[in-house]
Amino acid sequence: GAVVSQHPSWVICKSGTSVKIECRSLDFQATTMFWYRQFPKQSLMLMATSNEGSKATYEQGVEKDKFLINHASLTLSTLTVTSAHPEDSSFYICSARVGFRVRGQTQYFGPGTRLLVL
Amino acid sequence: TQLLEQSPQFLSIQEGENLTVYCNSSSVFSSLQWYRQEPGEGPVLLVTVVTGGEVKKLKRLTFQFGDARKDSSLHITAAQPGDTGLYLCAGPPPMGAGGTSYGKLTFGQGTILTVHP
Repeated sequence: GAVVSQHPSWVICKSGTSVKIECRSLDFQATTMFWYRQFPKQSLMLMATSNEGSKATYEQGVEKDKFLINHASLTLSTLTVTSAHPEDSSFYICSARVGFRVRGQTQYFGPGTRLLVL
Repeated sequence: TQLLEQSPQFLSIQEGENLTVYCNSSSVFSSLQWYRQEPGEGPVLLVTVVTGGEVKKLKRLTFQFGDARKDSSLHITAAQPGDTGLYLCAGPPPMGAGGTSYGKLTFGQGTILTVHP
C-alpha cells in the first residue's frame, strides 16, 4: 500500500514553455502532498507544501508564480513550471503524507520527474 | 545552517566491509527517519525511530536513535554492491517548532554510498 505515482517520469521542453507534473496517491487519500527539488548527488530541497482545497505554502526563496501548485483532490496534486528556463532543469519529487499524528508520521515518495529545459 | 548534519557525505568501500553513517543535530526530534534513494528514483523509507535509545534492525542494517533524540546512526554490516545508493536521514520539525511547519520533513545532506564488488 501507500503508492505514489508521478507523471511524466521525464520531460524535455524548450525554454519558455510550461510543464505540468502530476503526483497521485494511488491507494490512499492524501490531505497533504509535498514537492521537492533535487540536484545531482544532493539531498532533497522542499519547495512547497500542498494541502487539498487550499493554497500551497511555499518555502522561502521559491517563486510562487514560477512553480504553480494545485491540489484539486485528495489523490492528485500538480506542479506547473511556468516559462521554464535551463536553470529549472532538475529532478522533481513529490510525496504524500500518511497519518495525522506528529510522532511516526510517514511520507511516501513518488518516483520523481526528470525535467530538462533546452 | 543545516538542521540535520549527515556524515560522511561520500563513502566508497569494498564488498564485505562494514560502515556507519551518522545523522546529528543540536535539536531534539520526536522521530527520525532513514531513506535510501537510487539514481532516477524517489526515496524509499527504510525505518522510523521514535524512542530515545531505540535500536532497529533490518537484515544487515542497524539503526539507532540517540538517548537524547538529537542524533541517529545507520550501520551496515558486510556491505554488498546492492547497498549502493544515497542514504538520507530526515525528521519532522524539531519539538517546539509547531505552527506552519507541521507535517514537513527536514532532510540531511545525504550520504552517497558506493560498494565495489
